[in-house]
Amino acid sequence: KAGVTQTPRYLIKTRGQQVTLSCSPISGHRSVSWYQQTPGQGLQFLFEYFSETQRNKGNFPGRFSGRQFSNSRSEMNVSTLELGDSALYLCASSYGGPGSGQPQHFGDGTRLSIL
Amino acid sequence: GQQLNQSPQSMFIQEGEDVSMNCTSSSIFNTWLWYKQDPGEGPVLLIALYKAGELTSNGRLTAQFGITRKDSFLNISASIPSDVGIYFCAGQLGQGAQKLVFGQGTRLTINP
Repeated sequence: KAGVTQTPRYLIKTRGQQVTLSCSPISGHRSVSWYQQTPGQGLQFLFEYFSETQRNKGNFPGRFSGRQFSNSRSEMNVSTLELGDSALYLCASSYGGPGSGQPQHFGDGTRLSIL
Repeated sequence: GQQLNQSPQSMFIQEGEDVSMNCTSSSIFNTWLWYKQDPGEGPVLLIALYKAGELTSNGRLTAQFGITRKDSFLNISASIPSDVGIYFCAGQLGQGAQKLVFGQGTRLTINP
């Protein structure tokens, strides 16, 4: 069974640009969450999607946005990139919806570097 | 952002030794999970705990969901070289959210 697939694996951008990251969940999983991982802040929740609707959002500025498609695939977008946005962005999927308690399974992430 | 208090931050042990790490929180969680992350990869789920007081094993790994629902521990018995990595605890509130709150991680190094 294929795991969570994130593309691209590595990305280099400059300040002010925007970026779109993609996540394909495990087949049959309908809930997708995004996390940012940095050495200083650790793993921080960005947002979660279920049935194409954003169900929860973390404490990040509006430059961070996302969406989910009808096939459960998800994208996140960061506009007007800042140096502090350099991080590993992780996508996780789970079978159940919000509050189901089903465990989340992570992809290998997209490493975003801002120059 | 909110984080769990995970300790120790790092451990240096000899191969064959047992390992213990724990997480505490000021908040109650409905689910506790333990993940392991290797360099260049995403976190891999090791154990999920759903009930206060629950003790669950996965091979050489054993984890417990604290009675107060505010803490959890993970034990690894007879460590082997492939146990090297960073271990994270995560709490899930549930209540209509899949959001995970993570500990800072425990970096495990094993001397052969």
